[in-house]
Amino acid sequence: EAGVTQFPSHSVIEKGQTVTLRCDPISGHDNLYWYRRVMGKEIKFLLHFVKESKQDESGMPNNRFLAERTGGTYSTLKVQPAELEDSGVYFCASSLTSESSYEQYFGPGTRLTVT
Amino acid sequence: GQSLEQPSEVTAVEGAIVQINCTYQTSGFYGLSWYQQHDGGAPTFLSYNALDGLEETGRFSSFLSRSDSYGYLLLQELQMKDSASYFCAVRDGRDDKIIFGKGTRLHILP
Repeated sequence: EAGVTQFPSHSVIEKGQTVTLRCDPISGHDNLYWYRRVMGKEIKFLLHFVKESKQDESGMPNNRFLAERTGGTYSTLKVQPAELEDSGVYFCASSLTSESSYEQYFGPGTRLTVT
Repeated sequence: GQSLEQPSEVTAVEGAIVQINCTYQTSGFYGLSWYQQHDGGAPTFLSYNALDGLEETGRFSSFLSRSDSYGYLLLQELQMKDSASYFCAVRDGRDDKIIFGKGTRLHILP
């Protein structure tokens, strides 16, 4: 069974540019989560999809961030325009059901550097 | 507010036992999870406690005391490959969100 995959693994962009991150969850997992980790800090929750619906987006920092999950399969996270403080590692995770959210399967992350 | 506290770093010797503590203060509580993350890798699930007591999985055990808002991860017979960051995480409600602590970096000396 394939795990959670993310693309790209690294992205270096200039302030003001746009970047789109992609996450493919484990097949059959309805729940998909986005997190961000800034060096030395906690893994911060961004948002949660159940199938194609946003269940909770309380962690999204501002309206420069837009997440979608069309068709309830893969998800994208767009940052537009990027700012320096957006740098960090963006993780995607999935879980089979809502009840099993305590056991999430993480992707390898996308390291975003905004210069 | 919601917060999880765990030590930033712990050092132990190969073959020894180490305990990583986690205290939490959250608006809701459904259970405590532990994740391991090696440098450059993805967090991987280790254990989950919803009820008080000790859960054992091989060399790793996890404990929870709901009345004390406290838990710990116990690693026995430490191996060099256990060098990693360990995160406690609280499932704070029925809505499935989990909140992570800042992580404890475990250094293992030969």
